Amino acid sequence: NAGVTQTPKFRVLKTGQSMTLLCAQDMNHEYMYWYRQDPGMGLRLIHYSVGEGTTAKGEVPDGYNVSRLKKQNFLLGLESAAPSQTSVYFCASSYGGTRHEQFFGPGTRLTVL
Amino acid sequence: GQQLNQSPQSMFIQEGEDVSMNCTSSSIFNTWLWYKQDPGEGPVLLIALYKAGELTSNGRLTAQFGITRKDSFLNISASIPSDVGIYFCAGQPRGSQGNLIFGKGTKLSVKP
Repeated sequence: NAGVTQTPKFRVLKTGQSMTLLCAQDMNHEYMYWYRQDPGMGLRLIHYSVGEGTTAKGEVPDGYNVSRLKKQNFLLGLESAAPSQTSVYFCASSYGGTRHEQFFGPGTRLTVL
Repeated sequence: GQQLNQSPQSMFIQEGEDVSMNCTSSSIFNTWLWYKQDPGEGPVLLIALYKAGELTSNGRLTAQFGITRKDSFLNISASIPSDVGIYFCAGQPRGSQGNLIFGKGTKLSVKP
């Protein structure tokens, strides 16, 4: 099992450009999450999904959109990138229900110039 | 929003020393998790706790779910160089859909 994978690993964007980050999991997890990690801020939840076709806002959703068309994939989109979105993005997944352990991907380092 | 207070923010260890860190919250949590993150990688789950008072070990690591359900502790015994990294606590608030709140981390470094 590959666990949780993320593509790309690194990306540099110019302000105003758009991009999509892809997260895939092969553990048949129901729940998936997108976080951003900034120095001194810990992990902050952007959006999450409790099942295929469902999404919900987390703590810092502004400027991001997500889609969960397939159970194993969770996409994070930036429509018009801003320098404030420079961060490391992590995807995670969990079984859901009473199982709350989240398993993380390796991260995507995004720089917006 | 809800916050977790994790302490200490950083600490230096000498090989063989025991290490302790903790997280506290003003509200009740149903689950406590402890993660370790190495540079350039994602957090890796170390221990999961589901019951108040629960004490769980994973090798040299021991974690406890506080009786009040508002705190958790992680101890590392006989530290070794590969213990260096950032340790995060995470809690699942009562009534949430499985979302976790993360502490800001404890950075473990080796004493020069």
